Amino acid sequence: NAGVTQTPKFQVLKTGQSMTLQCAQDMNHEYMSWYRQDPGMGLRLIHYSVGAGITDQGEVPNGYNVSRSTTEDFPLRLLSAAPSQTSVYFCASSYSKGQGNTIYFGEGSWLTVV
Amino acid sequence: DQQVKQNSPSLSVQEGRISILNCDYTNSMFDYFLWYKKYPAEGPTFLISISSIKDKNEDGRFTVFLNKSAKHLSLHIVPSQPGDSAVYFCAASARTNAGKSTFGDGTTLTVKP
Repeated sequence: NAGVTQTPKFQVLKTGQSMTLQCAQDMNHEYMSWYRQDPGMGLRLIHYSVGAGITDQGEVPNGYNVSRSTTEDFPLRLLSAAPSQTSVYFCASSYSKGQGNTIYFGEGSWLTVV
Repeated sequence: DQQVKQNSPSLSVQEGRISILNCDYTNSMFDYFLWYKKYPAEGPTFLISISSIKDKNEDGRFTVFLNKSAKHLSLHIVPSQPGDSAVYFCAASARTNAGKSTFGDGTTLTVKP
């Protein structure tokens, strides 16, 4: 059981470059989300999705784009990378409402923007 | 305005003693609370949860207490073990919006042998 799989694990980008962080889950969860974690801080929600074709913004959505064409996949796009986007990114999925709110996280993607 | 706060960035306890991690929240719409544990270079993993209809939930060495009137919850680990050394995140959500959990900044627990 793979759970939540994110790629790549490490990436270095130059300022202004774009890239996509991939995320896939095999638990048939309706909810998927992207968080970022900066040093000494908690997890901040970037974007989330309540099902295929539906996405919404979290706390820190600027500079990121998402889409949800299938239940399994939820890629995160950095449109024009900035040093402030250097962070660890976690993709997550969870059951729909009413079945418990436990979130299952991927192992993280370490992104450095130089 | 931070809606979930963990005011202690770090906690150090001796092996075998009790660890108490605290969390405060401000949003009255939160009705489901979770604790996650995170080791370095790994994603957070679910530890224990509690819904607002309860004031206590136990799972082995881990117990979470919820005081709704004070908007406060705590995680007790008894007895603490060196393998419990990790960052612990408190999270809160509304059952109507499972995918939108709000996290505290975390408390780094160190259990000394």
